[in-house]
Amino acid sequence: AQTVTQSQPEMSVQEAETVTLSCTYDTSENNYYLFWYKQPPSRQMILVIRQEAYKQQNATENRFSVNFQKAAKSFSLKISDSQLGDTAMYFCAPSRVAAGNKLTFGGGTRVLVKP
Amino acid sequence: GAGVSQSPSNKVTEKGKDVELRCDPISGHTALYWYRQSLGQGLEFLIYFQGNSAPDKSGLPSDRFSAERTGGSVSTLTIQRTQQEDSAVYLCASSLGSGVAKNIQYFGAGTRLSVL
Repeated sequence: AQTVTQSQPEMSVQEAETVTLSCTYDTSENNYYLFWYKQPPSRQMILVIRQEAYKQQNATENRFSVNFQKAAKSFSLKISDSQLGDTAMYFCAPSRVAAGNKLTFGGGTRVLVKP
Repeated sequence: GAGVSQSPSNKVTEKGKDVELRCDPISGHTALYWYRQSLGQGLEFLIYFQGNSAPDKSGLPSDRFSAERTGGSVSTLTIQRTQQEDSAVYLCASSLGSGVAKNIQYFGAGTRLSVL
């Protein structure tokens, strides 16, 4: 079974600044994907970024980028130029390809962007 | 196109009653997932459907929980004899399939279930 740890329950950042969210996971799988999802107060989970575990290159999506360290089983998310709309809960979630890609979620990090 | 639709948005029920939660996935998506989000347990997987294959029910917490998917599209999650610990947000997600490049899950807004 996979376990996912997000060690920062809450983080605040000034608008336009950068914040980094940590995530570590435990898996015995070789074939898996890693996701960061955002959940604003509207409750709907929104995909932020996806990383394929067999790729060494870190994924980037506009202001969002990851630092994927496979050996250390670490998958941090960096939000650059933070915007007020980035205020939300952020969940790290690996998926197991061999198990239908079902997601295992961390406990989440609440990000508050301050004006 | 339309996203994943869940109904009702909120449901209040009395302990011991049965409830049905509905999920309408994105058209053409063959994979459908149910997750539960509660204060005590966080986000946890419940059940997964892929095409016509037998569902993966490994996350269902008890035999009071069941789900079906009719015609490979709409899914209903049923909770019988609800208990207060069933109070949670139930999230549905769908994806194009289980292939390597088709595993991005798109979520609905969830159903908040409150058991009094």
